[in-house]
Amino acid sequence: DAGVTQSPTHLIKTRGQQVTLRCSPKSGHDTVSWYQQALGQGPQFIFQYYEEEERQRGNFPDRFSGHQFPNYSSELNVNALLLGDSALYLCASSATLAGGRTGELFFGEGSRLTVL
Amino acid sequence: AQSVTQLDSQVPVFEEAPVELRCNYSSSVSVYLFWYVQYPNQGLQLLLKYLSGSTLVKGINGFEAEFNKSQTSFHLRKPSVHISDTAEYFCAVTALAGNEKLTFGTGTRLTIIP
Repeated sequence: DAGVTQSPTHLIKTRGQQVTLRCSPKSGHDTVSWYQQALGQGPQFIFQYYEEEERQRGNFPDRFSGHQFPNYSSELNVNALLLGDSALYLCASSATLAGGRTGELFFGEGSRLTVL
Repeated sequence: AQSVTQLDSQVPVFEEAPVELRCNYSSSVSVYLFWYVQYPNQGLQLLLKYLSGSTLVKGINGFEAEFNKSQTSFHLRKPSVHISDTAEYFCAVTALAGNEKLTFGTGTRLTIIP
């Protein structure tokens, strides 16, 4: 059973460009969350998708947007890249439990974005 | 809102010695608590979690943690560390109704000295 897979693993962009990161959740999971981990910091919550809609959002500007597809996979888009967007972007998937709660998060290995 | 403080950014420990990684949290509501480990160039792996019940929680790789509500702490311990424990350790918290939106600490880098 494949876990959470993310692509690409590494990429380099220049300021002002746009980037799309992709995530396939673990089999049986229907919820995808995205986190940004800057160098030397803990991950910070960007947003969470469930039933193809954004369910929760952290303190990130509108340049950060996402999408969830019917097969539960997800994309993270960042427009007008800034140097400060350089980070490891982690995707985490989970299953919705009885009562509507979210189960344990499983993380992918991340996409490392460098903005020059 | 919740916040997490990991008091030590780096902890060097000799092999086979015990270790404690400290974590304190702040929240106005009841929370769930987690410890994750991140090996170099990898994602996060769940070590253990406290949801309810016994305040002493046992996890993978011989780690355990104790939830102390009065001190708002969730310190991670291991009685004897190995070289393979070298990694970054993150404490995280979520509100009971938070649908697993995690708030992480800044991490503690554990270095094992042979």
